[in-house]
Formats: sequence, structure tokens, C-alpha cells
Amino acid sequence: DAKTTQPPSMDCAEGRAANLPCNHSTISGNEYVYWYRQIHSQGPQYIIHGLKNNETNEMASLIITEDRKSSTLILPHATLRDTAVYYCIVRVNAGGTSYGKLTFGQGTILTVHP
Amino acid sequence: DAGVIQSPRHEVTEMGQEVTLRCKPISGHDYLFWYRQTMMRGLELLIYFNNNVPIDDSGMPEDRFSAKMPNASFSTLKIQPSEPRDSAVYFCASSGPAYGYTFGSGTRLTVV
Repeated sequence: DAKTTQPPSMDCAEGRAANLPCNHSTISGNEYVYWYRQIHSQGPQYIIHGLKNNETNEMASLIITEDRKSSTLILPHATLRDTAVYYCIVRVNAGGTSYGKLTFGQGTILTVHP
Repeated sequence: DAGVIQSPRHEVTEMGQEVTLRCKPISGHDYLFWYRQTMMRGLELLIYFNNNVPIDDSGMPEDRFSAKMPNASFSTLKIQPSEPRDSAVYFCASSGPAYGYTFGSGTRLTVV
């Protein structure tokens, strides 16, 4: 799986958008971009994933650059409960089934303050 | 669905004792993963199963660690004998036809 680079920490004011960047310059054509987060003392939680198109769900939006070498996770209206470690991971999917292992890096510690 | 269920939530044991961690994956999920998390090393994949068969155990640190999945609804991670450096939070996760993994709440292991 391709390596990712994320800033170690970021701050965001409550109610504002949080934009978390991720570089994955060695991503392969069949690798997806996944985002997970881990709130203190809990297991990681799936947020969103995409291949090359921008994606949106009830939790967040994912913007992937045209060359797919970087992406941004957007939390449109951050709340204090969004304070967590956010992990950007790239991996291969096999068809429509979860496949293989998920390798976590160090992630970005996002702190949302009042 | 109750999600991925791990037990116990906390375990304190003495060095040299056997420790068994348990996991019940989400029904219908065909992949099961065991991770370990420490401050120094972050989240590490120890082993994963597909349809109850171990696929990759390259992350298992030593022969003291073993994992089994006797059926689709149960898995164990055993450490024998345990050592203080095994102290960590151990997570189980499962995945199925839909994308994304679901993690359990973890077992915090302390070996004294």
C-alpha cells in the first residue's frame, strides 16, 4: 500500500470547517483513499473513502486532486466532539468486497476549540 | 447490530500469566483483524483472518502470541507467557461486503 503523509496536528474553531490534508504521491491507479478517525480511548471509526471522484456523506466530504497525489478531508462544521486523531490510508479494494489489511500511520491530531 | 464485541474491557495480570482476549465480529463479516496500539508504535496489525482462515500473521511479535478463529462468530488472541512490554490496547475489527472496517472498543491490557 502507498505511503501517506499528514501534518501531525491541526487546530480548528468550533463551527468552522476543518480541512485535513493528506499527501499520497505514490498512489497506484487501483488504490483507494480511506479516512478513519480515533476519538480518545475508542476504536478507530470509518469516515469516508474514494477513488478519484469527490465524495460526501453525512460525516464529511473527501476532495481528491485530479492527479490523485493528495486529498483533503473536510468536516464542514466542526464540533468539540470531532476532536480526534484522523488517519488517511490508501489501499487496494478487490471489487465490492473489503480486501486485505489496513495499515495506519501516525495521523493528524485535530483539536477543535470553543 | 451490537457491533464488534470485545472482552474483557480491562485486564490486569502478572508477568508470566496467560492472557486470552476475545472478539465477536459483526455477523456476516468475512474478515477479522487484531490490532495492538501503544503510544510508541501506534496502531499495529498483528494478524487477520478471512473466512476463519489466518491470512497474514507477520505482525505477531513473538511465538508467545497466538490467535484462533474457530468459527465465524468468535476469535481469540492469546499471550503466553505475558510480559510487561505486552501492555497495550488490543483492538479487534471486522469487515464485510460494505467498505470500511468496524472496530471494537478494545481491551486495555496491563501486565505488571
